[in-house]
Amino acid sequence: KAGVTQTPRYLIKTRGQQVTLSCSPISGHRSVSWYQQTPGQGLQFLFEYFSETQRNKGNFPGRFSGRQFSNSRSEMNVSTLELGDSALYLCASSLGPVRTGAGTEAFFGQGTRLTVV
Amino acid sequence: AQSVTQPDIHITVSEGASLELRCNYSYGATPYLFWYVQSPGQGLQLLLKYFSGDTLVQGIKGFEAEFKRSQSSFNLRKPSVHWSDAAEYFCAVVSGGGADGLTFGKGTHLIIQP
Repeated sequence: KAGVTQTPRYLIKTRGQQVTLSCSPISGHRSVSWYQQTPGQGLQFLFEYFSETQRNKGNFPGRFSGRQFSNSRSEMNVSTLELGDSALYLCASSLGPVRTGAGTEAFFGQGTRLTVV
Repeated sequence: AQSVTQPDIHITVSEGASLELRCNYSYGATPYLFWYVQSPGQGLQLLLKYFSGDTLVQGIKGFEAEFKRSQSSFNLRKPSVHWSDAAEYFCAVVSGGGADGLTFGKGTHLIIQP
């Protein structure tokens, strides 16, 4: 069974540009969550999608957005990039929303390393 | 809001020695608890989870963790570490019915001495 696939693995963008990251969840998983990992702030929750609907969102500005398609694949978009957006962006998939309990633990992809210059 | 504290930023253990990584959470009700491991440049791998029931849970790679409600702790243990266990370890919590996804601790960097 294939794991969570994130593309691309590495990206270099210029300040002010926008970027789109992609995540393909494990087959059969309908929930996708996104996290930002930085040395200073650690792992922070961005948002979660389930059945193409955003279920909840972390404390990030509106420049961060996402969507989920009918096949459960998800994309996240960051507009007007800032230097502080440089981070490892991790996608996690689960059968359902993790907070609903047993059987919905999250499995993570290898991440996309975004560098903003 | 829920929070997770991993008091030890770095821990150094000799190969073959036992290991305990500490994790304390702050949440009123019984949370769902997880331990993840991250190797350099990689994503997170789930080691074990606690939802309910037996407070001692077994995970992969010989790890186990014990949930202690009275101490709000979920410490990770391994009786004998291997050099391949060197990595970053994260404790995480999610509140049942909550709206914030997984909340992670800052992580503990495990160093294995030969």
